[in-house]
Amino acid sequence: ILNVEQSPQSLHVQEGDSTNFTCSFPSSNFYALHWYRWETAKSPEALFVMTLNGDEKKKGRISATLNTKEGYSYLYIKGSQPEDSATYLCAFQNSGGYQKVTFGTGTKLQVIP
Amino acid sequence: DTGVSQDPRHKITKRGQNVTFRCDPISEHNRLYWYRQTLGQGPEFLTYFQNEAQLEKSRLLSDRFSAERPKGSFSTLEIQRTEQGDSAMYLCASSQVREGYNEQFFGPGTRLTVL
Repeated sequence: ILNVEQSPQSLHVQEGDSTNFTCSFPSSNFYALHWYRWETAKSPEALFVMTLNGDEKKKGRISATLNTKEGYSYLYIKGSQPEDSATYLCAFQNSGGYQKVTFGTGTKLQVIP
Repeated sequence: DTGVSQDPRHKITKRGQNVTFRCDPISEHNRLYWYRQTLGQGPEFLTYFQNEAQLEKSRLLSDRFSAERPKGSFSTLEIQRTEQGDSAMYLCASSQVREGYNEQFFGPGTRLTVL
């Protein structure tokens, strides 16, 4: 059983604050790390696919970094807005097999106006 | 709309009844996944199809659960003799692995409540 953990479990921030949260995953058999955003009553939406150690990806005010050697990824949100309120899921894709993806428990972010 | 669709979006049933959910994946995707998500948890893998072949089933999938993808297009997930512990969000996702990356596209889910 693969252990993919996210912290914190939930987070409240004021509008305009920057925030970050963590995904930790096994450092062996790594192939890719996926980040998803899941807004209430909508489908989870892919944010990033990260593959190389040291990768940094950015989409607007959201960015993510990857450390495959120590098995963690950070997601950063700069200047949080109420529309950023969602659950952020990371998913570890291991090498071999059929590219199986294992999801973390998610970080639920609420941005207070 | 060319995304993944699921039907119904909500289902309330009494314990002991059978329920069936449907998932229509993105048409060119050959892989289809079913997940279950309960409060405070991430999506938990249930089963996976490549075309019409069911290639893996989680131990979470008891013998009351069965999934099919008869023509390699839409899929159904049936739960027989539902129990209160089956109450959850059932998510379907599809993918077409490109360059080794398994980016999955999700449907909106079916929320099941067993009374």
